[in-house]
Amino acid sequence: SYELTQPPSVSVSPGQTARITCSGDALPNQYAYWYQQKPGQAPVMVIYKDSERPSGIPERFSGSSSGTTVTLTISGVQAEDEADYYCQSADSSGTRYVFGTGTKVTVL
Amino acid sequence: QVQLVQSGAEVKKPGASVKVSCKAFGYTFTSYYMHWVRQAPGQGLEWMGIINPSGGSTNYAQKFQGRVTMTWDTSTSTVYMALSSLRSEDTAVYYCARGQRVAAAGPGWFAPWGQGTLVTVSS
Repeated sequence: SYELTQPPSVSVSPGQTARITCSGDALPNQYAYWYQQKPGQAPVMVIYKDSERPSGIPERFSGSSSGTTVTLTISGVQAEDEADYYCQSADSSGTRYVFGTGTKVTVL
Repeated sequence: QVQLVQSGAEVKKPGASVKVSCKAFGYTFTSYYMHWVRQAPGQGLEWMGIINPSGGSTNYAQKFQGRVTMTWDTSTSTVYMALSSLRSEDTAVYYCARGQRVAAAGPGWFAPWGQGTLVTVSS
């Protein structure tokens, strides 16, 4: 079955930049989406269609794509950004949805 | 605003079935797909399937085929997810999440999400 691979954890100091990668074979042909999940809460979409930011999401969140890897970048990280982050996409047929393995962002 | 409100927590015995509801507010119910996603304690997100509330077509993840049934009720703007033959590994928080417009091409996103429903399977 199709998989999206993320690093388990990323640690960053306040004000620095956090980058989270997500790798998958179908990513050149399918959009990627990113979700933030804080403890005890439902996920919230922070990036859609590789690099678009929904209304209400701070500008410090950005996304990019290159080949089989997509990247979520959080510039000027704040303490409130500490959370789990998941990428999401679909397989090459577009009929099977998949989430990445998840990355825990820790703000030091 | 768009909001999804799910039914309350459930405790079930192994072998039983559970049915979770998700009521939609603030948009045209039949115009958007609805997904179901689950998250076991301390684990990641797992896609279970999708339903088109305009006609009722479904697409289930292979892992759950034969055990999951997704239905809808247009009159109450509610979708349901039923899971049968429950086992301890099914203990998880179950989420509904709105997908993209039915009229749109290609797969899309999950937004917004319901608040989640904890299903505990224990003897």
